[in-house]
Amino acid sequence: QSALTQPRSVSGSPGQSVTISCTGSSSYIDYYKYVSWYQQLPGKAPKLMVYDVSERPSGVPDRFSGSKSGSTASLTISGLQAEDEADYYCCSYVGNYRVIFGGGTKVTVL
Amino acid sequence: EVQLVESGGGLVQPGGSLRLSCSASGFTFSRYAMHWVRQAPGKGLEYVSVISTNGEIIYHADSVKGRFTISRDNSKSTLYLQMSSLRVEDTAVYYCVKDMWSRVSSSGPFDSWGQGTLVTVSS
Repeated sequence: QSALTQPRSVSGSPGQSVTISCTGSSSYIDYYKYVSWYQQLPGKAPKLMVYDVSERPSGVPDRFSGSKSGSTASLTISGLQAEDEADYYCCSYVGNYRVIFGGGTKVTVL
Repeated sequence: EVQLVESGGGLVQPGGSLRLSCSASGFTFSRYAMHWVRQAPGKGLEYVSVISTNGEIIYHADSVKGRFTISRDNSKSTLYLQMSSLRVEDTAVYYCVKDMWSRVSSSGPFDSWGQGTLVTVSS
């Protein structure tokens, strides 16, 4: 069981918004500014979508946004598109060079 | 364009050894910490190891500590993962991953990933 908890799946229709939560232990809260999110399309390597909670790398559509409240980080996909169907993983640095990933969330576009 | 190309994966018996390589191009390899992340078939991502730019800072996850060793050759722009005492549970795709920040030591985020190399541990 991962120390970062994500829902196993979320779904939405094209154009809708979906939010993926990532909840961690209170002991990680000091490191929550280092939360990042990765998209993994079927059969592909992961791709960085959000880092430092809410920053987007260049080239990532602004439909993808990150946020944090307390011990829960979230990734919101606005204006859902068919090509957004993928697995999404949250990730956090938790000190002493240790990095952990959430268990992953499958996003389905209905 | 950043390119990370892993090699060295394959089928190995439990207790065996394997060395993975990752050839990097498109960036100044010596300026970035590098990482290995693995993914068991049908499972999620698992962080394995990190090495600083100069090789002096190394971290291995508890699950591989004492069995795996990360190293790098900056003159060849190549990252390595020496794996020994392999177990069935080490079966996974192993990704070579570049850190986003150009600094001696960093633990992500990870802005470039290789295509991965499959390691299968089975008798």
